[in-house]
Amino acid sequence: NAGVTQTPKFQVLKTGQSMTLQCAQDMNHEYMSWYRQDPGMGLRLIHYSVGAGITDQGEVPNGYNVSRSTTEDFPLRLLSAAPSQTSVYFCASSYSGVNQPQHFGDGTRLSIL
Amino acid sequence: GESVGLHLPTLSVQEGDNSIINCAYSNSASDYFIWYKQESGKGPQFIIDIRSNMDKRQGQRVTVLLNKTVKHLSLQIAATQPGDSAVYFCAEITDSWGKLQFGAGTQVVVTP
Repeated sequence: NAGVTQTPKFQVLKTGQSMTLQCAQDMNHEYMSWYRQDPGMGLRLIHYSVGAGITDQGEVPNGYNVSRSTTEDFPLRLLSAAPSQTSVYFCASSYSGVNQPQHFGDGTRLSIL
Repeated sequence: GESVGLHLPTLSVQEGDNSIINCAYSNSASDYFIWYKQESGKGPQFIIDIRSNMDKRQGQRVTVLLNKTVKHLSLQIAATQPGDSAVYFCAEITDSWGKLQFGAGTQVVVTP
């Protein structure tokens, strides 16, 4: 019963490097989303997807790209890492998004030097 | 902009007492609200939800109250236990696409 799986759990990057944060869910959920969580703050939505092939921007999309080629996977790409992107990243999924609780992974802790 | 917020950043509760965590929201069009619990090093864990056509919902040791008149949401935890120590977030669905907006969180500390 894996739920939402995020990899890696920890990552350190240098400014300007690129990387992909992986997110997979095995619950056949249509809705998936990415959030970032900074100290003392709630979670802020980066990008979301209501189904395979459909993505849209959230509150803080700049510097991030996403794609949704399958129902199960929703990777988040950092194009050119900046220190301001140091954060904890959470992926979440739900059946439909609307009036459904989202289930979260345990996060990726990312540091940009 | 409109946002979800919390009145108390830290709540200290004695073991066995009841806890009440409050949340104010400003988007009167929000239709669905969720409480999450987040333990250190973990992702948010769903506790309980409520739709705007309800004013109360109960789960196991938890109750959520919704007062739409004053745009207030609260989470009550009965007989608080050490395992209840965590950060609690309220969140609301703000549009038809299901986008969640979170409050800043309340740290609950359970003392023996």
